[in-house]
Formats: sequence, C-alpha cells, structure tokens
Amino acid sequence: GENVEQHPSTLSVQEGDSAVIKCTYSDSASNYFPWYKQELGKRPQLIIDIRSNVGEKKDQRIAVTLNKTAKHFSLHITETQPEDSAVYFCAASAPMDTGRRALTFGSGTRLQVQP
Amino acid sequence: NAGVTQTPKFQVLKTGQSMTLQCAQDMNHEYMSWYRQDPGMGLRLIHYSVGAGITDQGEVPNGYNVSRSTTEDFPLRLLSAAPSQTSVYFCASKVGRTGELFFGEGSRLTVL
Repeated sequence: GENVEQHPSTLSVQEGDSAVIKCTYSDSASNYFPWYKQELGKRPQLIIDIRSNVGEKKDQRIAVTLNKTAKHFSLHITETQPEDSAVYFCAASAPMDTGRRALTFGSGTRLQVQP
Repeated sequence: NAGVTQTPKFQVLKTGQSMTLQCAQDMNHEYMSWYRQDPGMGLRLIHYSVGAGITDQGEVPNGYNVSRSTTEDFPLRLLSAAPSQTSVYFCASKVGRTGELFFGEGSRLTVL
C-alpha cells in the first residue's frame, strides 16, 4: 500500500518567516495530494490540494508543489502568522488492494510560529 | 447542514467491553471512512466505504467492524476493546474519488 513520509515532525519559525513542510510518497499511482491543518483539539480541515497533472498551486500565503518524478510534494507558507500554528498533515490518494482509492496521511508536522 | 456528526465525544471502556462509535453525515456523500489518530503517527485509516452496502479495510482494520446500510450512517464497532485501541477516532466523508474530506469532531476513547 501507499506510504507517506512527512518531515520535519516539528518546526518553529519567527512570525513573518516562511515555513516549508515536505512529504514523499511511494505509490506512483497516487494522483491527489491534499494538505490538512489541525488546530489543537479540533478536527483536521483542508487548506489546499493538488492533482497529479499540476506542478504547483497557490492560494494567498499558501502554496503546494508536486514533483511526480521524485514522488515528493511540499507545503510552503509565507509571511507566517501566530494563527498558522497548528499540526499540518499531508496525504496521498492511492488505490488500495480492492482498486478503490483512499487517503493515506503523513505523520504530521507541528508548526509553531513565534510572535 | 450539520456536516459529519460523531457520538459519543468521550468514552471510557474496560478491556473486553464492546461499543459502537456512531457517525452520520447529511451531505449525501458516497464515501465515508474511519481514522484513528495517535501521537506521532498521524491519521491511520481503519475502514472505508464507497457507498451503501460496500465496505473495505484500511491500514489498521483488526479489532474493528463496520457496516453501511444507509448512505448517511457508518458506525464503527469495537467487539472486544483493548488498551491498544485507546485513541482519538475521526469519521470523515467526501463526495467522489477525490476532493475535500470532511471530518467529524472526533471521539476520544480510553480503554483501561
């Protein structure tokens, strides 16, 4: 099955700096790569996603890049703010044994933005 | 729309007890799933369903059963709880093969 590795596990940045979180995946059949943000005690929520036919996608201060050849994708947050502090999860949609697709998540990155 | 609703929010069980975590969604989503979240291990898929009457195993299905008799409901059953099943459980749903996964608020389960 799909294996998604995420680094770093913790990241501390100063307010206004950029933050980068990286993920690699193992299944070349994966075709959809979302990123979720989970604030303390809350549910995960989608912040951005990218499909395998696109190399980069931006949404205001957030961007995601995808390198299909190397099987890795990254989340970039610019001009970080204290409210960006949360745990971020990457995920990949790959076919399971049945052929049906499901999301496999990385282990998460705890981002702390220091004011 | 209430979205994805999970009950109970908190539960304490003794080893060997059984229980059902309820999940309901009112968005007419075909796809529903259960994940467990443990520190440092992210979200691991337990079971998922692509429609009523269809269920499949995820990464960590042992010790859990599911059924999908209606589009709206996807209960998760623990037949004989073990301390290793202490975790936060999230139900999630979406429409179609890809797209945003909507999570419930989570259910914190402690097995003593």
